[in-house]
Amino acid sequence: GAGVSQSPSNKVTEKGKDVELRCDPISGHTALYWYRQRLGQGLEFLIYFQGNSAPDKSGLPSDRFSAERTGESVSTLTIQRTQQEDSAVYLCASSPGLAGVTDTQYFGPGTRLTVL
Amino acid sequence: AQSVAQPEDQVNVAEGNPLTVKCTYSVSGNPYLFWYVQYPNRGLQFLLKYITGDNLVKGSYGFEAEFNKSQTSFHLKKPSALVSDSALYFCAVYMPYQKVTFGTGTKLQVIP
Repeated sequence: GAGVSQSPSNKVTEKGKDVELRCDPISGHTALYWYRQRLGQGLEFLIYFQGNSAPDKSGLPSDRFSAERTGESVSTLTIQRTQQEDSAVYLCASSPGLAGVTDTQYFGPGTRLTVL
Repeated sequence: AQSVAQPEDQVNVAEGNPLTVKCTYSVSGNPYLFWYVQYPNRGLQFLLKYITGDNLVKGSYGFEAEFNKSQTSFHLKKPSALVSDSALYFCAVYMPYQKVTFGTGTKLQVIP
């Protein structure tokens, strides 16, 4: 069956430009997460959507980062005025949402962002 | 604040030998613990989780992990390693009302 998909798989941009990263979760999954994985480091939580509840934005590192989710489907992570330290792999995950964050999360392949 | 540590950046083990990938955590209260695996050029995959109950948790691909509250550990184990187990392994901890925290990962190399 279809898993979590992300696009683009790779994105190279210039410092100061805005970028949009897309995540398509598994159909029927009400929970969606965004993480950042810098080279040689663990996953860093960014934001969590659960159904129609207000998202948990506590992991967003600055106001340059924002994310939206359309209903219980596609999510877009936007980084404005990109900086070189934003270079990382951005991972999206979805889960059924039945047990909150203890649900098994299913990860997409990630988007590798490089800011020159 | 919760934290999780994976003290080994890399673990090398011969094929057929038992393997252990270490994870320790620091939380106030009872944690929920997870292991994920990241194969080369593939996304993260769930292996197993401890929520409550039996301290020994069995997961995918023959892996298991033991929750040890006194040692605040959740080491990942497998009785007999396969070359195909070579991957990057992440431990994660979650406490209610806090976000999931992942470790920095341990690269497992199984040598034929």
